[in-house]
Amino acid sequence: DIVMTQSPDSLAVSLGERATINCKSSQNVLNNSNNKSYLAWYQQKLGQPPKLLFYWASFREFGVPDRFSGSGSGTDFTLTISSLQAEDVAVYYCQQYSSSPLTFGGGTKVEIK
Amino acid sequence: QVQLQESGPGLVKPSETLSLRCTVSGGSMNNHYWSWIRQPPGKGLEWIGSMYYSGSPNYNPSLKSRVTISVDTSKNQFSLRLSSVTAADTAVYYCATGLTSLWLDPWGQGTLVTVSS
Repeated sequence: DIVMTQSPDSLAVSLGERATINCKSSQNVLNNSNNKSYLAWYQQKLGQPPKLLFYWASFREFGVPDRFSGSGSGTDFTLTISSLQAEDVAVYYCQQYSSSPLTFGGGTKVEIK
Repeated sequence: QVQLQESGPGLVKPSETLSLRCTVSGGSMNNHYWSWIRQPPGKGLEWIGSMYYSGSPNYNPSLKSRVTISVDTSKNQFSLRLSSVTAADTAVYYCATGLTSLWLDPWGQGTLVTVSS
């Protein structure tokens, strides 16, 4: 199985400041035939199901604010919130879909400082 | 966009079989993948398995011996059965879908299943 490791486990950021979440895969999830990294990001607010933010590491899902960005390739990925808003308080998960079983990172909790 | 709703018993006894159903509304089940994911209280996400509407299921090896996923397009439903449950199977169970077997969107609201005597 591909192990997904997120860091930090939690972070507290002031409103309007940048939040950066890292995700590292134990194996390369880049498909050389299409040059796409098989990685998705989800946001889970308290008491709600996860919501898809990004697929192919950096393709923003429709309706996701552009203060969110996804980057990275291969084994190292980053989710950035450029200017944290109150509604962004949530746990964020990365997920690889390069190989079965699908696996998720342990989650990063984002709070307001 | 399709909407999903899980249903089933909230309490299952140890060694028995957990059975959940996901009802799909607002769209066709055709050409979609149908998945189950679970989340123990206060913990992270674990993929249980997925199935194309007309194909064979793909299960997480960690659960494969106990899991059955099935799709009934005539009823707009798909199901999860997990046998020989223990307390470790206590979790919120989510159903989810997607046009690919890759990422999951959208998800149902989830249903908490507690395994306890």
